[in-house]
Formats: sequence, structure tokens, C-alpha cells
Amino acid sequence: KAGVTQTPRYLIKTRGQQVTLSCSPISGHRSVSWYQQTPGQGLQFLFEYFSETQRNKGNFPGRFSGRQFSNSRSEMNVSTLELGDSALYLCASSLGVTALQETQYFGPGTRLLVL
Amino acid sequence: AQSVSQHNHHVILSEAASLELGCNYSYGGTVNLFWYVQYPGQHLQLLLKYFSGDPLVKGIKGFEAEFIKSKFSFNLRKPSVQWSDTAEYFCAVSAANRDDKIIFGKGTRLHILP
Repeated sequence: KAGVTQTPRYLIKTRGQQVTLSCSPISGHRSVSWYQQTPGQGLQFLFEYFSETQRNKGNFPGRFSGRQFSNSRSEMNVSTLELGDSALYLCASSLGVTALQETQYFGPGTRLLVL
Repeated sequence: AQSVSQHNHHVILSEAASLELGCNYSYGGTVNLFWYVQYPGQHLQLLLKYFSGDPLVKGIKGFEAEFIKSKFSFNLRKPSVQWSDTAEYFCAVSAANRDDKIIFGKGTRLHILP
């Protein structure tokens, strides 16, 4: 089974621009979660989608948004980029809703640098 | 609100030393507990998890963790570490039986000296 894939792997943007990141979950997995990983804050939960519905959202501003498609693939969008948005963005998939007893399988991440 | 604390940010040990990484959480209800590991250049992956039953959980690569409810702790242990255990370790908690998000600790970077 192929693992979680994320595209692109690396991205350089400038302040004020917007960016869209993509995540393809493991086949059969219906839940996709997004995390922001930085050296100072560690892994911070962004949001989780299950069957095209947002189940949970972390404490991030409205500039961060996401969606999930019927094939479970997910995208996250960050508008009006700020320098502080530079981070590794991780996607994780699981069979069911992760907040219960599901193991998450992580992708390699997209490293975003905002200049 | 839930929170997870990993008190050791950076640990350096020699091979064959014993390891214990601390994890404490704040949540009064029933919890699901996880340890994830990120080896250099690799994806985050599950090391072990606790949902219910025996509070001593065994995971991959000789790791184990003990859930002590009275101390709100889920410390990770390994009796004898190897150089290949060099990695970053994350503790995570979710509230059982609730539609709530999973919270990760900030991670502990473990460096094993050969």
C-alpha cells in the first residue's frame, strides 16, 4: 500500500502570497489531519477532515483553511502569507476519526519558506 | 483544555544506557495515549499506544510505556538504547469517547552516542 503523499515537498513564497498544499491519504483512509511543525512550537494541530467534513479545527487564524474531496484527498490553503508561516506542514491519514482510537500515518511533509 | 508536557527537550545518552522520557498531560477524563517517533529523514510513525487495559504497553523496537492515571503520566522507557534510537519522540493525547482533537507534546530530541 502506498503511504501518505504530499505535494509539493518544498515551496518558497513571499509575504502576502497564498499557497495550496495537497495531501493524498493511504487508500481506504477517510480521515485527513493537518499539522504545522516548527522548532519552537512543535506539532500543532490545524484541522481534521472526515468524509469531506471538517471535524475539528485548531487555534489558527482564518487565513488557514482546508477541504477534503470525495476521494479523501485533501488540500490546505494559507492566504496572505506571513514570515511566521514558515514551517513543515504535515498531513496524516487514518481509517476513522483520529480523536478516538485511530493510529495516524504521516506523510513526509511540505516545507514552506516565506520570504 | 487538554495539554501535553514533555519536560526533556533534549536528551543525550550513551549506547546501552537506560532511557525514560517523561510525558504528562492535563485532562480529567479518560484518555487515549500515544508515542510517535521521527527518525532523521523519515516520517513520523507510531511507536506505541494505550487505549485501555494493561497500563504497561509494549511497542516496536523494545520500547514500552506505562500509564499512571494518578500521576497523569505516560512515560516512555527502553532498558538499553542503541545508536539507531537517535530520533525525536512525541507524546500525544486525545480524549477518549469524545469528538476532540489529538494534542501533541513539543517533542524530545534523543541523541545516542556510539
